[in-house]
Amino acid sequence: AQSVTQPDIHITVSEGASLELRCNYSYGATPYLFWYVQSPGQGLQLLLKYFSGDTLVQGIKGFEAEFKRSQSSFNLRKPSVHWSDAAEYFCAVGAGSNFGNEKLTFGTGTRLTIIP
Amino acid sequence: DVKVTQSSRYLVKRTGEKVFLECVQDMDHENMFWYRQDPGLGLRLIYFSYDVKMKEKGDIPEGYSVSREKKERFSLILESASTNQTSMYLCASRGVLLFTYEQYFGPGTRLTVT
Repeated sequence: AQSVTQPDIHITVSEGASLELRCNYSYGATPYLFWYVQSPGQGLQLLLKYFSGDTLVQGIKGFEAEFKRSQSSFNLRKPSVHWSDAAEYFCAVGAGSNFGNEKLTFGTGTRLTIIP
Repeated sequence: DVKVTQSSRYLVKRTGEKVFLECVQDMDHENMFWYRQDPGLGLRLIYFSYDVKMKEKGDIPEGYSVSREKKERFSLILESASTNQTSMYLCASRGVLLFTYEQYFGPGTRLTVT
């Protein structure tokens, strides 16, 4: 079974500084990888996804993530954070043996705080 | 845009009550999911449905049941609510198209059982 680890429970970053959120996955085959963001009191919004091809993927709100198979990682990055980026971030891995029954397994999340 | 709506944002129920959480999506998606979200545990899958009247247990189905009579609607039922079911409940849907595995989420229902 697949699993996802987000080793950082809480990260604090100054506005304008760069950001990297870590995600490690465990899955036997090529995974489908996702980053979601959850603003306070809201549902989850998809930031970006990786299925195949270019290992550096671009998402919304200026975020990008890099798939590194050798490290089983899919870290999320942003060169300069804004106060509105304060939220909880979830990494997820998708797997399914038959087309159409794919499920997502989520990490426990990283809460991002932005300080002025 | 895909829209997933949940019947209530906040709900307070008493122990032993039967609770219905409703989820509706407007994109003709085949798959629908119910998760619960707890601090430090992330999202855990309760049940999912890959088509009308089809359902499959997720990782934590105990104490819950589901119903999907129409494609757009997926209901989560707590037969006899208990305090350990106090949580945020998130519904999601997904269309079964090639390379579109992402799930679309509703705003969540924060359930408190007293």
